Amino acid sequence: QSALTQPASVSGSPGQSITISCTGTNSDIGAYNYVSWYQQHPGQAPKLMIYEVSNRPSGVSNRFSGSKSGNTASLTISGLQAEDEADYYCSSYTSGSTTYVFGTGTKVSVL
Amino acid sequence: EVQLVESGGGLVQPGGSLTLSCAASGFTFSDYWMHWVRQAPGKGLVWVSRINADGSTITYADSVKGRFTISRDNAKNTVYLQMNSLRAEDTAVYYCTRPDRYKFDYWGQGIVVTVSS
Repeated sequence: QSALTQPASVSGSPGQSITISCTGTNSDIGAYNYVSWYQQHPGQAPKLMIYEVSNRPSGVSNRFSGSKSGNTASLTISGLQAEDEADYYCSSYTSGSTTYVFGTGTKVSVL
Repeated sequence: EVQLVESGGGLVQPGGSLTLSCAASGFTFSDYWMHWVRQAPGKGLVWVSRINADGSTITYADSVKGRFTISRDNAKNTVYLQMNSLRAEDTAVYYCTRPDRYKFDYWGQGIVVTVSS
């Protein structure tokens, strides 16, 4: 089971919007609406930001939104803030043997 | 408050063994699947293994199958990961995580495992 494909890095200025893509296959993202997104600051555990493609857990800013089209999911961060600088990982349930697969990770930089 | 606390990591020689523990609190442990996810230095998250609520269903990533064993003790609210025949490429931070409807909503702080001579 290969990792989902994400861009290595995305950057933006404070206040701007950025979008991170996550490309899988018709065995994971294309097959299920169980796509999640996680934020990870250096030295910390991942934090759930989006689940089931577009749902936000309680306490997560509405500046974070998710969507999916075909085999590609996307995370959009609007009104970019300094504290959004972190690594972001997508994840999907999969019919493959691993049951869950993560993305390659995207480093978000706030210029 | 949900808490997951890993322990048991450290430095081990190639070919050696180590057992990780993850102590859970703040929720009904025996109702939930539990998973292990790892992250090699400077690399991304990789799913490792899962065990269902009563321990009867277990799955492993191909990279650890036959070497790692996941288990749980619901009386102690603890999930374990026994790691044998360790390789340099098993060096990582290991996280235990609790899924809830296909999302990992709680994570431990992570425990470092280093495989080196």
